[in-house]
Formats: sequence, structure tokens, C-alpha cells
Amino acid sequence: GQNIDQPTEMTATEGAIVQINCTYQTSGFNGLFWYQQHAGEAPTFLSYNVLDGLEEKGRFSSFLSRSKGYSYLLLKELQMKDSASYLCAVNTDSNYQLIWGAGTKLIIKP
Amino acid sequence: DAGVIQSPRHEVTEMGQEVTLRCKPISGHDYLFWYRQTMMRGLELLIYFNNNVPIDDSGMPEDRFSAKMPNASFSTLKIQPSEPRDSAVYFCASIGGSPTSGANVLTFGAGSRLTVL
Repeated sequence: GQNIDQPTEMTATEGAIVQINCTYQTSGFNGLFWYQQHAGEAPTFLSYNVLDGLEEKGRFSSFLSRSKGYSYLLLKELQMKDSASYLCAVNTDSNYQLIWGAGTKLIIKP
Repeated sequence: DAGVIQSPRHEVTEMGQEVTLRCKPISGHDYLFWYRQTMMRGLELLIYFNNNVPIDDSGMPEDRFSAKMPNASFSTLKIQPSEPRDSAVYFCASIGGSPTSGANVLTFGAGSRLTVL
């Protein structure tokens, strides 16, 4: 089967750093996406990894290890507006057949 | 670009009624997806189109659900008859370019929140 695992919920403090993990077992791999979804809103794109290593984009970074079926999203200098759900999704083939994780709800406390 | 446009944003209906959700993808995007999101099941792919042709509808829950894409700028998702368990947020999303490039971004509409009483 195809499976993506993420923690259900995490709590962090404003100004701190948090790492959200994602592990996957899929029949194919053609890239991994991270999306942010605020309550009541649509998911919005954060990052994309297809090769092993770290991709940095401002306060957000995403890491991929294909051999381990593992990715993480690193959020630095946390702000209250970062309170949201973070969705991990794997593109399993050449037709955008994305498999989605259930999402990690991140709660930021002052 | 105005992004992916969905309507209605909110729909409240009674069990047994027909529901039609509409989507206008981003101009030039040749893939269109319909997703359903609930607390229990997360984000589920219902069906997707490439160049207006349905490619995979294996996620459509049952015959009560149907989707069409008559042209490159419009798609509908219809539920007939609707049931309370269909209550969810329905997202339309589009993407363009070669899937093998991988870096193209799936863009979601604001969603249609459906409540079936």
C-alpha cells in the first residue's frame, strides 16, 4: 500500500524553531511537496524536493532522504501566523498522482 | 491571474437534493483536480482531468458523484442525490506543464464548503 505518516499535532513557542517530520512508503517517487493550510483556507505551496538534501526558502527549509523515505520541514523564527496545518504530499508517478499525509497541526504559543 | 476560482463558497442543502460545484482553473493549466477534505479522512483525490479528459476517477466514492470538464476553463462536480456524509470541503486545483519536471506547483481554489442536512 501507499502511506504517508506525519505527527498529528505539534506545539512550539514564538521565535523558536520546529521540525515537522514526514515518512512515506509509496510505489513510486517523483518529488515531495509541503503545503501550508490555515484553518478554513486552501492549502498553499511551501516547498518541493526531488533530490536528496536541503532546500532553503527564507524561514522555511525542507529536507529529503529518498533512501530513508523521509522528509522534514524546518520552520525558524516562528511567528504566530505560522499556526496552521502542514501537509506532506508525494508525487508517485508522472501524472501528478499525489498521495497526501493527514497533516500536522502546528500550534504556536507566545 | 485570479487563481483557481470555485463557486459556491458555501452550500447548505437537504438530503436528496442535487449539488453542483463549479471550478475555473488557471488559464494555461492542463491538469485539473477535484479533492474532498474532511477531518476524518483528510484530503482525498476524487478525480482529475488532463486536457479536459478524465484520467482517473477511482476516487469518486460512488455513482452519485459525477464530474465533467466541457472545456479548458470550466469543470463541474455534481452530487445527486446528496447525503449528509457528503458534507465536506471540496477543493478544485490546477497545474500546468510537464509532470516529469516535478517543480510545477499545484494551486488550489478557495474551496466549496458543503453541508448536507
